[in-house]
Amino acid sequence: KAGVTQTPRYLIKTRGQQVTLSCSPISGHRSVSWYQQTPGQGLQFLFEYFSETQRNKGNFPGRFSGRQFSNSRSEMNVSTLELGDSALYLCASSPTGVGVLNEKLFFGSGTQLSVL
Amino acid sequence: DQQVKQNSPSLSVQEGRISILNCDYTNSMFDYFLWYKKYPAEGPTFLISISSIKDKNEDGRFTVFLNKSAKHLSLHIVPSQPGDSAVYFCAAWEKSSGDKLTFGTGTRLAVRP
Repeated sequence: KAGVTQTPRYLIKTRGQQVTLSCSPISGHRSVSWYQQTPGQGLQFLFEYFSETQRNKGNFPGRFSGRQFSNSRSEMNVSTLELGDSALYLCASSPTGVGVLNEKLFFGSGTQLSVL
Repeated sequence: DQQVKQNSPSLSVQEGRISILNCDYTNSMFDYFLWYKKYPAEGPTFLISISSIKDKNEDGRFTVFLNKSAKHLSLHIVPSQPGDSAVYFCAAWEKSSGDKLTFGTGTRLAVRP
């Protein structure tokens, strides 16, 4: 079974631009979560989607948005990029979501975003 | 507000010895705790977990201990191997938070041959 696939692996953008990151979950997984990893903050939860609906959202500004398609693939969008948005963005999938006990998250390798 | 804290950013251990990674939390409502391991250029992978109603869970060389009164958990790796060198993240889950995991900032473990 293929793992979680994130594209692209690396992105370089300038302040003010917008960016779209893509995530393909493991086949059969319907829950997709997004996390931001920065050196000083660890992994911070952005949002989670299940069956095309956002079920949960972290404490990030409205510039961060996402969506999920009927095939469970998900995209994350960041508008009006700021220098502080430079981070590794990780996508994770699970069959129905962490909210089910003992259900593990399977992470992709991430997209490294650099904002200049 | 960092609800899950890993106060040691790095740890170096001799091969064959025990590695102890620590994690503290502030939210007494957490129901489940997990450890993830991350190699460079890869995503985190699940290692071991423990329910808040337990105080110990063991899986091969890995054991997680939970001290609820101290709001502290630790991951023991015995014996440590060079392949264990990675960043270890402690994470916690609260039922009322839905599908959100709260992660610590990670501890980089280096196992010296």
